[in-house]
Amino acid sequence: ILNVEQSPQSLHVQEGDSTNFTCSFPSSNFYALHWYRWETAKSPEALFVMTLNGDEKKKGRISATLNTKEGYSYLYIKGSQPEDSATYLCAFWMEYGNKLVFGAGTILRVKS
Amino acid sequence: DAGVTQSPTHLIKTRGQQVTLRCSPKSGHDTVSWYQQALGQGPQFIFQYYEEEERQRGNFPDRFSGHQFPNYSSELNVNALLLGDSALYLCASSLGLGAGELFFGEGSRLTVL
Repeated sequence: ILNVEQSPQSLHVQEGDSTNFTCSFPSSNFYALHWYRWETAKSPEALFVMTLNGDEKKKGRISATLNTKEGYSYLYIKGSQPEDSATYLCAFWMEYGNKLVFGAGTILRVKS
Repeated sequence: DAGVTQSPTHLIKTRGQQVTLRCSPKSGHDTVSWYQQALGQGPQFIFQYYEEEERQRGNFPDRFSGHQFPNYSSELNVNALLLGDSALYLCASSLGLGAGELFFGEGSRLTVL
């Protein structure tokens, strides 16, 4: 059974704080790692699709790194804003798996 | 450019009934995947349709079935509903069978009483 673990489960930060979350996945047969942001009452939206070990991607104040050898990815948010409040999901695509396996997500709440 | 649309948004059924959920993919997409999200869990993969065929299936019983139409839209059918089928059902579309970005709908919230 494929396991994708995300930590922490939830996080409350103050506006302006920087924060990071972790996604752990099997280190064998890696093909791709996705990050999605899911705001309440909306649909999940892709942040990053990462495929190469050592990959670093950035979108505004949000960035992500990938280590396929040890099976983890970090998502960083610099200077959190209330609009960053959402559930952040990571999902693992295994080689020959042909499907995305999601973690349970990290819930971020940013207080102004 | 319409994104992924799902219907209905909410519905209530009783145990033993059957339900059909519908999904229209993002314009230009030909692949539809269905996910079930129960409270406190991440989305669980149900199955994927491409070229009107089921290509991949997750660990769901045969009570869960689907269909894809020539216009790429898709249906998810669940028979003999159980209380445990209460969940948010998400449809996601993509291009082809690769590991590219998924585009999600807002989901159909099913409550089974």
